[in-house]
Amino acid sequence: AQSVTQLDSQVPVFEEAPVELRCNYSSSVSVYLFWYVQYPNQGLQLLLKYLSGSTLVKGINGFEAEFNKSQTSFHLRKPSVHISDTAEYFCAVSHSGNTPLVFGKGTRLSVIA
Amino acid sequence: GAVVSQHPSWVICKSGTSVKIECRSLDFQATTMFWYRQFPKQSLMLMATSNEGSKATYEQGVEKDKFLINHASLTLSTLTVTSAHPEDSSFYICSARGASGSLGTDTQYFGPGTRLTVL
Repeated sequence: AQSVTQLDSQVPVFEEAPVELRCNYSSSVSVYLFWYVQYPNQGLQLLLKYLSGSTLVKGINGFEAEFNKSQTSFHLRKPSVHISDTAEYFCAVSHSGNTPLVFGKGTRLSVIA
Repeated sequence: GAVVSQHPSWVICKSGTSVKIECRSLDFQATTMFWYRQFPKQSLMLMATSNEGSKATYEQGVEKDKFLINHASLTLSTLTVTSAHPEDSSFYICSARGASGSLGTDTQYFGPGTRLTVL
């Protein structure tokens, strides 16, 4: 079975500061990894995904994530956050395109002016 | 591309009535759609996996007679909450996986969600 752990439930950060949202997963097979963002009362928007290849993945809105197989991590980073980045961020894993996503509990990013 | 819509975006109903939620992939064909439920300040919990033309696969603990899922075409899946009760109040989100082509089959695209309130 797969599981996803998002170590921080809330991350406050000042505007223009860097941020890292942590995600660890467990799986006995190779995985696909995803980060989604959810704004209040909205669905999920795909930020980026890792399927294979380069371990550094760049996504939308200036976000990037690095897949680390040895540490079973897929941390999300942004060098300089904006107020508009305030949202809930979910890390998710699946072991193929056919299987459902398993989500972490989410991290609430709050950007402070 | 990869737009998924849900209708309605919010609904209020009386206890005991049934509510139908539609999920549509607008610009791609989706052989598989997923239905999730999200409680306030919590993560998404998978309810069921819906494959076009076949019966949905429900997750453990989800009542299939209460949450009826139909996936009649490659662009539409519906979730009907039958005899709704206040405890069914939640945010319901669908996602669709592409059938083929440029979108690939490895990514799920999410709808905007439907907020159901049962009085």
